[in-house]
Amino acid sequence: DADVTQTPRNRITKTGKRIMLECSQTKGHDRMYWYRQDPGLGLRLIYYSFDVKDINKGEISDGYSVSRQAQAKFSLSLESAIPNQTALYFCATSEAGANVLTFGAGSRLTVL
Amino acid sequence: AQKITQTQPGMFVQEKEAVTLDCTYDTSDPSYGLFWYKQPSSGEMIFLIYQGSYDQQNATEGRYSLNFQKARKSANLVISASQLGDSAMYFCAMREGLGGYQKVTFGTGTKLQVIP
Repeated sequence: DADVTQTPRNRITKTGKRIMLECSQTKGHDRMYWYRQDPGLGLRLIYYSFDVKDINKGEISDGYSVSRQAQAKFSLSLESAIPNQTALYFCATSEAGANVLTFGAGSRLTVL
Repeated sequence: AQKITQTQPGMFVQEKEAVTLDCTYDTSDPSYGLFWYKQPSSGEMIFLIYQGSYDQQNATEGRYSLNFQKARKSANLVISASQLGDSAMYFCAMREGLGGYQKVTFGTGTKLQVIP
């Protein structure tokens, strides 16, 4: 099994629908992140969490919310999806003080 | 200003040749780290190599080396003896700060294609 698992891997939905992307990890890392990747823009940080009681906005948090249900679980929600939220979404984890991010395989979301 | 700049949207290299992917960065933080990640067509992000701002020697990991020129604020990735499996997107990234939240910023990527 992957260290960082994202579900679903692919999702097509319609404008206005609520969508949840889930992330679970077996790395035992405290820190978890949600990134969005768009062609030509690289990866941009949506939200990050240092522990279960710590949630922080990243550079593009508008239109998104997150929940850290447990140390190993961090979910991203789009309350009312819009077409410009069509993107590849990555969950990542890291240890406190460590440098390297461990990424999940990505969740490709298409909003029609 | 862009924190991480990758000026080569796409590159070609002949199999078995070496290739350099450019990355320049901008930070006023004395403590930072530089990374390279590989993203094959399957989509996952694979960590390749890391260089800390205080590291005296350039980082190397197998066929990957990071040409770190601090004064020029560049952190180019060198891939030696290119293989077909090296065809992928490559992202340069920078971590800034010590303790607390260490912001990681990614560049826009370079698409490398290895020609047989």
